[in-house]
Amino acid sequence: EDQVTQSPEALRLQEGESSSLNCSYTVSGLRGLFWYRQDPGKGPEFLFTLYSAGEEKEKERLKATLTKKESFLHITAPKPEDSATYLCAVEGYDKVIFGPGTSLSVIP
Amino acid sequence: KAGVTQTPRYLIKTRGQQVTLSCSPISGHRSVSWYQQTPGQGLQFLFEYFSETQRNKGNFPGRFSGRQFSNSRSEMNVSTLELGDSALYLCASSLVPQGVLSIQYFGAGTRLSVL
Repeated sequence: EDQVTQSPEALRLQEGESSSLNCSYTVSGLRGLFWYRQDPGKGPEFLFTLYSAGEEKEKERLKATLTKKESFLHITAPKPEDSATYLCAVEGYDKVIFGPGTSLSVIP
Repeated sequence: KAGVTQTPRYLIKTRGQQVTLSCSPISGHRSVSWYQQTPGQGLQFLFEYFSETQRNKGNFPGRFSGRQFSNSRSEMNVSTLELGDSALYLCASSLVPQGVLSIQYFGAGTRLSVL
């Protein structure tokens, strides 16, 4: 069965304390993996697309990597404005499946 | 370029009523997907429409239905509302259908409360 899991469920970091979020997946015919950011009361906002194992994408303090079974979202020296829920989504032959998300809080 | 617009933003209904939610996608986008988001279940896929045709449907009862118009605008209808239908309903549009490297752009959602 196609499935996406994310860990941890919640993460509290001090400002400047780097960490990583994990997205593990099983899907038939992987087309791509997406990372989204969701702020309270808003819809998810697209961050990255990764297509093949070994690929990396970077944007400001965020770097996403992809292996055959999981993806990591690395956050370097986070700031309070990075606080949000980070969602991972996996695209198969004809559908997109979202993970449950990781709620990140960055404390000043 | 305008983003995805969902109306209304907030709705309060009572059990047994029905509700219609509206979504206007980004101009040029032909795929519209609907999701239900709750704290316990996360983002659950409802259905996807592309060029007025339903391509996929999630595991929801028949009380949930939708349609897409020729201008790509989409509506979602829930009949005989239940308390458990209280959720944030999100609409996402993309240039291509799911399964074809579709980057989805989300609206702000409609918050439905069923009393």
